[in-house]
Amino acid sequence: RKEVEQDPGPFNVPEGATVAFNCTYSNSASQSFFWYRQDCRKEPKLLMSVYSSGNEDGRFTAQLNRASQYISLLIRDSKLSDSATYLCVVSPGGGADGLTFGKGTHLIIQP
Amino acid sequence: SQTIHQWPATLVQPVGSPLSLECTVEGTSNPNLYWYRQAAGRGLQLLFYSVGIGQISSEVPQNLSASRPQDRQFILSSKKLLLSDSGFYLCATARSGSHNEQFFGPGTRLTVL
Repeated sequence: RKEVEQDPGPFNVPEGATVAFNCTYSNSASQSFFWYRQDCRKEPKLLMSVYSSGNEDGRFTAQLNRASQYISLLIRDSKLSDSATYLCVVSPGGGADGLTFGKGTHLIIQP
Repeated sequence: SQTIHQWPATLVQPVGSPLSLECTVEGTSNPNLYWYRQAAGRGLQLLFYSVGIGQISSEVPQNLSASRPQDRQFILSSKKLLLSDSGFYLCATARSGSHNEQFFGPGTRLTVL
């Protein structure tokens, strides 16, 4: 079983629409959860951290369900600049552990 | 603020040649440092991490090695490159005081021919 699973997409979404991504993880002892954004041929950049029941940052909302080992990302009023690959990321422990990445979901916002 | 530098930005090397990629971090002391690789069509994979000078943990068996000769310097090496070593190599560190929120350097894109 893959450690972090995401739908690879691509998701083709019209500008202004709402789009949701889902992610599941296999390690029930995981401590921290993140969404990263990666543009083509660039390094991943932290979009949001998800610590407890979820959090919101502007047009972005992340939710965590520990019982189901499920994380989601909602983007409202999508912009052309939201086009990117969104990586679901899990930290197995709370210390110096490396991060476990999903393969990413590719989002294309269409004008 | 913390900044990560990586070089070179791109590299094309023949099979069997050696490799040395360098990562340096500014704006922090005694950082946890990480090397990841993103191969074509695959997710980022943790290769090595280090919690201090001379301390290296390897996550997967491979053709690569890592060293940390100074507090803010992390080096990825190979004696003989394989075709499968091609990929995007990223150095990362955890943001101070965070729950392992990691941020990445600009990366080195390696092509082995």
